[in-house]
Amino acid sequence: KAGVTQTPRYLIKTRGQQVTLSCSPISGHRSVSWYQQTPGQGLQFLFEYFSETQRNKGNFPGRFSGRQFSNSRSEMNVSTLELGDSALYLCASSPLNLAGVADTQYFGPGTRLTVL
Amino acid sequence: AQKVTQAQTEISVVEKEDVTLDCVYETRDTTYYLFWYKQPPSGELVFLIRRNSFDEQNEISGRYSWNFQKSTSSFNFTITASQVVDSAVYFCALSEAGGYQKVTFGTGTKLQVIP
Repeated sequence: KAGVTQTPRYLIKTRGQQVTLSCSPISGHRSVSWYQQTPGQGLQFLFEYFSETQRNKGNFPGRFSGRQFSNSRSEMNVSTLELGDSALYLCASSPLNLAGVADTQYFGPGTRLTVL
Repeated sequence: AQKVTQAQTEISVVEKEDVTLDCVYETRDTTYYLFWYKQPPSGELVFLIRRNSFDEQNEISGRYSWNFQKSTSSFNFTITASQVVDSAVYFCALSEAGGYQKVTFGTGTKLQVIP
């Protein structure tokens, strides 16, 4: 099976712009989560989607949003970019286990966003 | 609130030495999952192991072994006979078992294996 794919891999934007990152989960995985990784804050949970619904959200401002499509692909959007948004954005997908709950997360290679 | 502490920021060992990475966690949940992930320089987090809070058996996978002790809230990871390819950042993580994937990660331990 192909792994989690994220596009683009690298992105350079300027302050005030907006950006959309894309994530394609492993085939059959319906849960998609997003994380931000920075040297200062480490890995922080952004949000999780399942069946096109956001089920959980981390402590990020409303400038960070996401959505999931019927094919489980997900996008996250950051509006009005700030310098502090420079980070590696990681997407993870999970299958459902026998109990019907999301299982282990498998991560993509990430999108490296640089805000100038 | 959940918390994962990896007190070791960086560790350097000489190839073939054994090394243990420490992980201490806090949670009020009675059912939870613990994970270890490896992040090589390429950036992708690679899943290594998942442990259910009800399963305290230690596990060995090749040169890797994990020691889960609920009494001390620790989930330590040992690499035996380390190799240069083990050089990476290792993250310990914790998630609730309710099905909503909010995973709390530790700050990571950077392991450098010197040839």
